[in-house]
Amino acid sequence: ETGVTQTPRHLVMGMTNKKSLKCEQHLGHNAMYWYKQSAKKPLELMFVYSLEERVENNSVPSRFSPECPNSSHLFLHLHTLQPEDSALYLCASSTRAGRDGYTFGSGTRLTVV
Amino acid sequence: QQPVQSPQAVILREGEDAVINCSSSKALYSVHWYRQKHGEAPVFLMILLKGGEQKGHEKISASFNEKKQQSSLYLTASQLSYSGTYFCGTETGGSNYKLTFGKGTLLTVNP
Repeated sequence: ETGVTQTPRHLVMGMTNKKSLKCEQHLGHNAMYWYKQSAKKPLELMFVYSLEERVENNSVPSRFSPECPNSSHLFLHLHTLQPEDSALYLCASSTRAGRDGYTFGSGTRLTVV
Repeated sequence: QQPVQSPQAVILREGEDAVINCSSSKALYSVHWYRQKHGEAPVFLMILLKGGEQKGHEKISASFNEKKQQSSLYLTASQLSYSGTYFCGTETGGSNYKLTFGKGTLLTVNP
Protein backbone atom coordinates (compact mmCIF):
# COMPACT_ATOMS: atom_id res chain seq x y z
CA GLU A 1 0.00 0.00 0.00
CA THR A 2 1.57 3.23 -1.13
CA GLY A 3 -0.72 5.71 0.59
CA VAL A 4 -2.62 6.36 -2.63
CA THR A 5 -5.59 4.02 -3.06
CA GLN A 6 -7.30 3.45 -6.38
CA THR A 7 -10.56 1.63 -6.97
CA PRO A 8 -11.53 -0.48 -8.72
CA ARG A 9 -8.33 -2.39 -9.52
CA HIS A 10 -9.87 -3.85 -12.67
CA LEU A 11 -12.73 -2.61 -14.82
CA VAL A 12 -14.30 -3.98 -17.98
CA MET A 13 -16.79 -1.70 -19.64
CA GLY A 14 -18.72 -1.51 -22.87
CA MET A 15 -18.36 1.40 -25.21
CA THR A 16 -21.73 2.81 -24.19
CA ASN A 17 -21.25 2.50 -20.43
CA LYS A 18 -20.54 5.21 -17.90
CA LYS A 19 -18.17 4.43 -15.06
CA SER A 20 -15.91 6.27 -12.64
CA LEU A 21 -12.43 5.63 -11.29
CA LYS A 22 -11.67 6.74 -7.76
CA CYS A 23 -8.42 7.82 -6.15
CA GLU A 24 -7.88 8.66 -2.49
CA GLN A 25 -4.82 9.86 -0.57
CA HIS A 26 -4.30 10.82 3.04
CA LEU A 27 -0.67 11.86 2.76
CA GLY A 28 -1.39 15.55 3.17
CA HIS A 29 -0.55 16.18 -0.48
CA ASN A 30 -2.33 18.97 -2.29
CA ALA A 31 -1.60 18.10 -5.92
CA MET A 32 -3.16 15.09 -7.64
CA TYR A 33 -2.64 13.64 -11.10
CA TRP A 34 -4.14 11.19 -13.57
CA TYR A 35 -1.72 9.32 -15.84
CA LYS A 36 -2.44 6.79 -18.58
CA GLN A 37 -0.02 3.88 -19.03
CA SER A 38 -0.30 1.85 -22.24
CA ALA A 39 1.91 -0.98 -23.39
CA LYS A 40 5.13 0.18 -25.05
CA LYS A 41 4.30 3.85 -24.42
CA PRO A 42 5.53 6.25 -21.77
CA LEU A 43 3.32 7.41 -18.94
CA GLU A 44 1.02 10.06 -20.37
CA LEU A 45 -0.12 12.93 -18.18
CA MET A 46 -3.85 13.49 -18.46
CA PHE A 47 -4.94 15.91 -15.73
CA VAL A 48 -3.44 17.79 -12.81
CA TYR A 49 -5.25 19.30 -9.85
CA SER A 50 -3.57 21.60 -7.38
CA LEU A 51 -5.53 22.66 -4.31
CA GLU A 52 -8.65 21.25 -6.00
CA GLU A 53 -8.23 23.45 -9.04
CA ARG A 54 -7.47 21.92 -12.43
CA VAL A 55 -4.15 23.32 -13.58
CA GLU A 56 -3.41 21.02 -16.48
CA ASN A 57 -5.54 19.33 -19.09
CA ASN A 58 -3.24 17.62 -21.51
CA SER A 59 -5.44 17.57 -24.62
CA VAL A 60 -7.48 14.69 -23.30
CA PRO A 61 -10.72 13.76 -25.15
CA SER A 62 -13.91 14.94 -23.51
CA ARG A 63 -15.03 11.34 -22.90
CA PHE A 64 -12.69 11.57 -19.88
CA SER A 65 -13.93 13.98 -17.23
CA PRO A 66 -12.00 14.56 -14.00
CA GLU A 67 -13.39 15.73 -10.69
CA CYS A 68 -11.57 16.78 -7.54
CA PRO A 69 -14.07 17.49 -4.73
CA ASN A 70 -11.33 17.98 -2.10
CA SER A 71 -7.59 17.60 -1.77
CA SER A 72 -7.86 13.93 -0.75
CA HIS A 73 -10.08 12.61 -3.52
CA LEU A 74 -9.86 12.50 -7.28
CA PHE A 75 -12.24 10.91 -9.75
CA LEU A 76 -12.07 10.13 -13.44
CA HIS A 77 -15.49 9.82 -15.03
CA LEU A 78 -15.62 7.74 -18.18
CA HIS A 79 -18.29 7.65 -20.89
CA THR A 80 -18.54 6.33 -24.43
CA LEU A 81 -14.96 5.11 -24.42
CA GLN A 82 -13.16 3.51 -27.34
CA PRO A 83 -11.21 0.22 -27.33
CA GLU A 84 -7.95 2.20 -27.67
CA ASP A 85 -8.69 3.71 -24.26
CA SER A 86 -7.92 0.34 -22.68
CA ALA A 87 -4.89 0.91 -20.44
CA LEU A 88 -3.68 1.17 -16.87
CA TYR A 89 -4.85 4.44 -15.31
CA LEU A 90 -2.59 5.65 -12.55
CA CYS A 91 -3.36 8.27 -9.96
CA ALA A 92 -0.54 10.10 -8.19
CA SER A 93 -0.20 12.79 -5.57
CA SER A 94 2.52 15.14 -4.41
CA THR A 95 3.15 18.27 -2.45
CA ARG A 96 2.70 21.40 -4.54
CA ALA A 97 6.45 21.76 -4.88
CA GLY A 98 6.78 18.10 -5.80
CA ARG A 99 10.27 17.92 -4.35
CA ASP A 100 9.59 14.63 -2.55
CA GLY A 101 8.48 12.98 -5.77
CA TYR A 102 5.11 11.62 -6.71
CA THR A 103 3.35 8.82 -4.85
CA PHE A 104 1.47 6.60 -7.28
CA GLY A 105 -1.46 4.32 -6.67
CA SER A 106 -1.48 0.76 -8.03
CA GLY A 107 -3.75 1.77 -10.86
CA THR A 108 -7.01 0.67 -12.45
CA ARG A 109 -6.64 -1.77 -15.34
CA LEU A 110 -9.37 -0.67 -17.77
CA THR A 111 -10.57 -2.81 -20.65
CA VAL A 112 -13.07 -1.34 -23.11
CA VAL A 113 -15.00 -3.95 -25.09
CA GLN B 1 8.57 16.39 -25.45
CA GLN B 2 9.42 13.13 -23.75
CA PRO B 3 12.96 12.34 -22.58
CA VAL B 4 14.86 9.52 -24.25
CA GLN B 5 16.02 6.64 -22.10
CA SER B 6 18.76 4.17 -22.91
CA PRO B 7 19.18 1.29 -22.97
CA GLN B 8 15.65 -0.02 -23.48
CA ALA B 9 16.49 -3.19 -21.60
CA VAL B 10 19.41 -4.65 -19.68
CA ILE B 11 20.03 -8.06 -18.15
CA LEU B 12 22.45 -8.43 -15.26
CA ARG B 13 23.73 -11.11 -12.97
CA GLU B 14 23.43 -10.39 -9.28
CA GLY B 15 26.32 -8.21 -8.15
CA GLU B 16 26.90 -6.52 -11.52
CA ASP B 17 26.57 -2.79 -12.16
CA ALA B 18 24.35 -0.91 -14.59
CA VAL B 19 23.87 2.63 -15.85
CA ILE B 20 20.60 3.98 -17.23
CA ASN B 21 20.62 7.24 -19.13
CA CYS B 22 17.96 9.87 -19.64
CA SER B 23 18.38 12.77 -22.04
CA SER B 24 16.23 15.67 -23.09
CA SER B 25 16.25 18.14 -25.95
CA LYS B 26 14.93 20.85 -23.62
CA ALA B 27 16.56 22.61 -20.69
CA LEU B 28 15.72 20.71 -17.55
CA TYR B 29 14.70 22.02 -14.18
CA SER B 30 14.62 18.66 -12.46
CA VAL B 31 14.77 14.93 -13.13
CA HIS B 32 12.83 12.29 -11.20
CA TRP B 33 13.64 8.57 -11.18
CA TYR B 34 11.06 5.85 -10.48
CA ARG B 35 11.06 2.05 -10.45
CA GLN B 36 7.98 0.01 -11.32
CA LYS B 37 7.71 -3.71 -10.70
CA HIS B 38 5.26 -5.74 -12.74
CA GLY B 39 1.69 -5.15 -11.60
CA GLU B 40 2.71 -2.56 -9.03
CA ALA B 41 2.75 1.21 -8.71
CA PRO B 42 5.81 3.19 -9.79
CA VAL B 43 7.93 4.01 -6.73
CA PHE B 44 9.86 7.24 -6.37
CA LEU B 45 13.62 6.76 -6.06
CA MET B 46 15.06 10.27 -6.14
CA ILE B 47 14.87 13.74 -7.59
CA LEU B 48 17.73 15.80 -8.96
CA LEU B 49 17.43 19.54 -9.26
CA LYS B 50 19.13 21.94 -11.65
CA GLY B 51 22.67 22.51 -10.49
CA GLY B 52 24.43 19.27 -11.42
CA GLU B 53 23.52 17.60 -8.14
CA GLN B 54 24.43 14.00 -7.50
CA LYS B 55 22.32 11.95 -5.14
CA GLY B 56 22.56 8.56 -3.55
CA HIS B 57 20.11 6.04 -2.18
CA GLU B 58 21.66 2.81 -0.83
CA LYS B 59 23.51 1.39 -3.82
CA ILE B 60 21.52 3.43 -6.29
CA SER B 61 22.76 6.89 -7.16
CA ALA B 62 22.18 9.42 -9.91
CA SER B 63 23.78 12.41 -11.52
CA PHE B 64 22.38 15.38 -13.43
CA ASN B 65 24.40 17.14 -16.10
CA GLU B 66 22.55 20.39 -16.63
CA LYS B 67 24.67 21.47 -19.59
CA LYS B 68 24.02 18.25 -21.47
CA GLN B 69 20.44 17.99 -20.23
CA GLN B 70 21.12 14.45 -19.17
CA SER B 71 20.75 12.34 -16.09
CA SER B 72 22.21 8.95 -15.35
CA LEU B 73 21.06 6.38 -12.80
CA TYR B 74 23.79 4.14 -11.38
CA LEU B 75 22.98 0.75 -9.88
CA THR B 76 25.96 -0.89 -8.21
CA ALA B 77 26.28 -4.44 -6.96
CA SER B 78 22.78 -5.16 -8.21
CA GLN B 79 20.38 -7.27 -6.17
CA LEU B 80 17.47 -9.40 -7.36
CA SER B 81 15.11 -6.80 -5.87
CA TYR B 82 16.40 -4.19 -8.33
CA SER B 83 14.54 -5.88 -11.19
CA GLY B 84 11.81 -3.73 -12.70
CA THR B 85 11.24 -0.94 -15.17
CA TYR B 86 13.03 2.32 -14.45
CA PHE B 87 11.50 5.59 -15.61
CA CYS B 88 12.93 9.04 -15.67
CA GLY B 89 10.56 11.97 -15.48
CA THR B 90 11.70 15.40 -16.54
CA GLU B 91 10.44 18.81 -15.60
CA THR B 92 11.08 21.90 -17.67
CA GLY B 93 10.38 25.50 -16.86
CA GLY B 94 10.13 25.16 -13.11
CA SER B 95 6.63 23.70 -13.06
CA ASN B 96 6.34 20.41 -11.27
CA TYR B 97 2.91 19.97 -12.78
CA LYS B 98 4.13 18.72 -16.11
CA LEU B 99 6.42 15.81 -15.42
CA THR B 100 7.09 14.02 -18.72
CA PHE B 101 8.25 10.42 -18.56
CA GLY B 102 10.54 8.39 -20.77
CA LYS B 103 9.54 4.99 -22.15
CA GLY B 104 11.39 3.17 -19.42
CA THR B 105 14.30 0.76 -19.12
CA LEU B 106 13.53 -2.85 -18.23
CA LEU B 107 16.17 -4.14 -15.82
CA THR B 108 16.35 -7.86 -15.10
CA VAL B 109 18.70 -9.15 -12.43
CA ASN B 110 19.31 -12.89 -12.50
CA PRO B 111 20.89 -15.03 -9.77
